[in-house]
Amino acid sequence: AQSVTQLGSHVSVSEGALVLLRCNYSSSVPPYLFWYVQYPNQGLQLLLKYTSAATLVKGINGFEAEFKKSETSFHLTKPSAHMSDAAEYFCAVDAGGTSYGKLTFGQGTILTVHP
Amino acid sequence: EAQVTQNPRYLITVTGKKLTVTCSQNMNHEYMSWYRQDPGLGLRQIYYSMNVEVTDKGDVPEGYKVSRKEKRNFPLILESPSPNQTSLYFCASNSAWQGNHEQYFGPGTRLTVT
Repeated sequence: AQSVTQLGSHVSVSEGALVLLRCNYSSSVPPYLFWYVQYPNQGLQLLLKYTSAATLVKGINGFEAEFKKSETSFHLTKPSAHMSDAAEYFCAVDAGGTSYGKLTFGQGTILTVHP
Repeated sequence: EAQVTQNPRYLITVTGKKLTVTCSQNMNHEYMSWYRQDPGLGLRQIYYSMNVEVTDKGDVPEGYKVSRKEKRNFPLILESPSPNQTSLYFCASNSAWQGNHEQYFGPGTRLTVT
């Protein structure tokens, strides 16, 4: 079975500061990994995905994430936070194979950006 | 425009009154899924479908039914809704080609059961 843990349900940063949202996963096989963002009262938008190509993945809006197999982590970072980054972020894993199409999500991290 | 649509977007109903939430995608995707989102729990998969007439339970299937009679549609049925099914529901679709793995999500349906 696969699972996802997002460390910290709330993260608060100042505008211009580094954003770091943590995600650890468990999967018995090399997984597909995703970060989604949800703005207030909206649906989910894909930020970036890891599908066994480069371990450093660049996404939209200046976000990137690094797949570290030894640490079973896929942390999301952005060098400089912007007010518009305030949203809820979800990490998700798909183990592929016979479980392909079955996304398991973390509990979400709400990012607050202060002026 | 490639999209997943859901209807209705908002629904308030009473306990026990059967309801259906529709989902349709125009990308010819083989896979479709239903998720529910609850505060502090993230999104949890209810059911998913690998193709027409092929469905399987997700993590929280109790109290829900689905059908996949056409490739583009994947309705979610609540035969006898209860207050614990009050939630935000998302439909999603993705291609069977694992080289382009991305789930596309609908806008969500906010359901309140009183």
